[in-house]
Amino acid sequence: DGGITQSPKYLFRKEGQNVTLSCEQNLNHDAMYWYRQDPGQGLRLIYYSQIVNDFQKGDIAEGYSVSREKKESFPLTVTSAQKNPTAFYLCASSIQGMYEQYFGPGTRLTVT
Amino acid sequence: DQQVKQNSPSLSVQEGRISILNCDYTNSMFDYFLWYKKYPAEGPTFLISISSIKDKNEDGRFTVFLNKSAKHLSLHIVPSQPGDSAVYFCAARNYGGSQGNLIFGKGTKLSVKP
Repeated sequence: DGGITQSPKYLFRKEGQNVTLSCEQNLNHDAMYWYRQDPGQGLRLIYYSQIVNDFQKGDIAEGYSVSREKKESFPLTVTSAQKNPTAFYLCASSIQGMYEQYFGPGTRLTVT
Repeated sequence: DQQVKQNSPSLSVQEGRISILNCDYTNSMFDYFLWYKKYPAEGPTFLISISSIKDKNEDGRFTVFLNKSAKHLSLHIVPSQPGDSAVYFCAARNYGGSQGNLIFGKGTKLSVKP
């Protein structure tokens, strides 16, 4: 089955530690995105990538980093510089030139 | 400053009746609008979209209406079913913006009661 995989579904970390969230897709989509959702809020764009080895900052990129070494994979690192890392993180992908984005199941990150 | 606003945090509807979810936007450069449905602890699912050159798009029980002069769009679900209970997000794309530039509203939680 084609789709977007995010793992793990729940992740717990201590404050001050970096953590990397996984996102893999087998849809052959060129573009991939990372969003953050907080309670009662919409989705806010962290980073996106339209092509391998290229990515752009979204609205709330501070404290996050990404890489896009393969078309299928777009991991997100939440660094210790991110002041409020506890959130629900969503990865999405889309066909180049199409506006519809397709989302993975999300990872709930809790930092204490 | 919110560019996409969903002013009703929640909506409750009886099964079989019509659900109408509303969305307002402020940026006249938005040229494409999308609706997503989201269940708790899951990723959003794309539902339906509309280009700014149209005023209506229909897909089964779901219809989206766009009123450009009022900068308003709405999603109609008829008839509503209990399985439609979810949070609905409106999103807009900025013409001339990058492909990543989808702006989301805060969502409306729809409850369809049997």
